[in-house]
Amino acid sequence: DGGITQSPKYLFRKEGQNVTLSCEQNLNHDAMYWYRQDPGQGLRLIYYSQIVNDFQKGDIAEGYSVSREKKESFPLTVTSAQKNPTAFYLCASSTPRVGETQYFGPGTRLLVL
Amino acid sequence: QKEVEQNSGPLSVPEGAIASLNCTYSDRVSQSFFWYRQYSGKSPELIMSIYSNGDKEDGRFTAQLNKASQYVSLLIRDSQPSDSATYLCAVLTDSWGKFQFGAGTQVVVTP
Repeated sequence: DGGITQSPKYLFRKEGQNVTLSCEQNLNHDAMYWYRQDPGQGLRLIYYSQIVNDFQKGDIAEGYSVSREKKESFPLTVTSAQKNPTAFYLCASSTPRVGETQYFGPGTRLLVL
Repeated sequence: QKEVEQNSGPLSVPEGAIASLNCTYSDRVSQSFFWYRQYSGKSPELIMSIYSNGDKEDGRFTAQLNKASQYVSLLIRDSQPSDSATYLCAVLTDSWGKFQFGAGTQVVVTP
């Protein structure tokens, strides 16, 4: 059963804490992405990666970090430097050819205690 | 200047009527265009993709693309209450797979 999984579904962060959001895909897609969505807002790109061991900053990378050690996995760490982390985080993957679309995981909702 | 723009809505549509959603984009070299539907609290799901000028129909959905005007639209015919959602327009802006999303148009189908 192919798809993208994200965990956990809900995550609570204490002030000053780093937290890591998991994203795994078994679609054999080369490219993976992380987006942030705030209430009533569109998607804003945090980081993306077209290939293992390489990734690029998106529009709002400050306070976040990623790694891409395996093709299937693209974890996102929300660091203590991110002062307003409460949001819905979406992971997506695609094959980066013209015409290929993105498919999304179910999302992780991050809340600050 | 936003690269992908949509009317935020809400767009109120009577059940059975046609919902018309619009999207404009700024990057002339964009090649691929997508419409996603997002229910509240859920992740976006793909409805339509379109790559060439003209219309593309899939069931009750029709996407229209005009590259000269940098405009893409989505029509939903025979609107149903289950169509009530936010519709996101997405544009593939480069060959490396970077997408730009509009802020979305909320559609409310009223019985």
